[in-house]
Amino acid sequence: GAVVSQHPSWVICKSGTSVKIECRSLDFQATTMFWYRQFPKQSLMLMATSNEGSKATYEQGVEKDKFLINHASLTLSTLTVTSAHPEDSSFYICSAREWSYGYTFGSGTRLTVV
Amino acid sequence: AQKVTQAQTEISVVEKEDVTLDCVYETRDTTYYLFWYKQPPSGELVFLIRRNSFDEQNEISGRYSWNFQKSTSSFNFTITASQVVDSAVYFCALSEAGVNNDMRFGAGTRLTVKP
Repeated sequence: GAVVSQHPSWVICKSGTSVKIECRSLDFQATTMFWYRQFPKQSLMLMATSNEGSKATYEQGVEKDKFLINHASLTLSTLTVTSAHPEDSSFYICSAREWSYGYTFGSGTRLTVV
Repeated sequence: AQKVTQAQTEISVVEKEDVTLDCVYETRDTTYYLFWYKQPPSGELVFLIRRNSFDEQNEISGRYSWNFQKSTSSFNFTITASQVVDSAVYFCALSEAGVNNDMRFGAGTRLTVKP
């Protein structure tokens, strides 16, 4: 079956630094990748949608300069949280979509900014 | 844009009880997909089911069953003879047919099954 690898699983960083999260489809080519954010005891909120080779489409209220998304290949998308602050601490999870497999989610990244 | 409502924030049952998790959705598309996911404390999403808008057949998988009714825009999930291991947060989600087909989630229902 389709597998999406997301790294790191958890990360602690200092306020003001940047963190990069990788989402890789291992055995299929993802036409589209999605990034979600989930705060404690809340639902998954879509942050942005990215298609390979084009700019990501951000949801309203998500700062595109703060959450940089790069989808350089059909198997890799990255989310960089720039100048992270404690309020960015959250669970980030990616999803890759391929026609025959539907949606496959990564295992998520728990980000803590101290 | 699509919308998914899970009105039950938290449900607590005793083991072996049956429990139904409600899901109501809104969409203008005639072609769409509905999903249920389980999220244990580890955070990973566990896929349970996908149903397309043209297939209203109910589905049963072991102790799990799903009731899809387009007339009421509902896609409810029932766990029969619940077990402690069923304790988790359950999300209903919807994606519309379209260019990006993004998936939108309901608020989730936290199910606690007590021994």
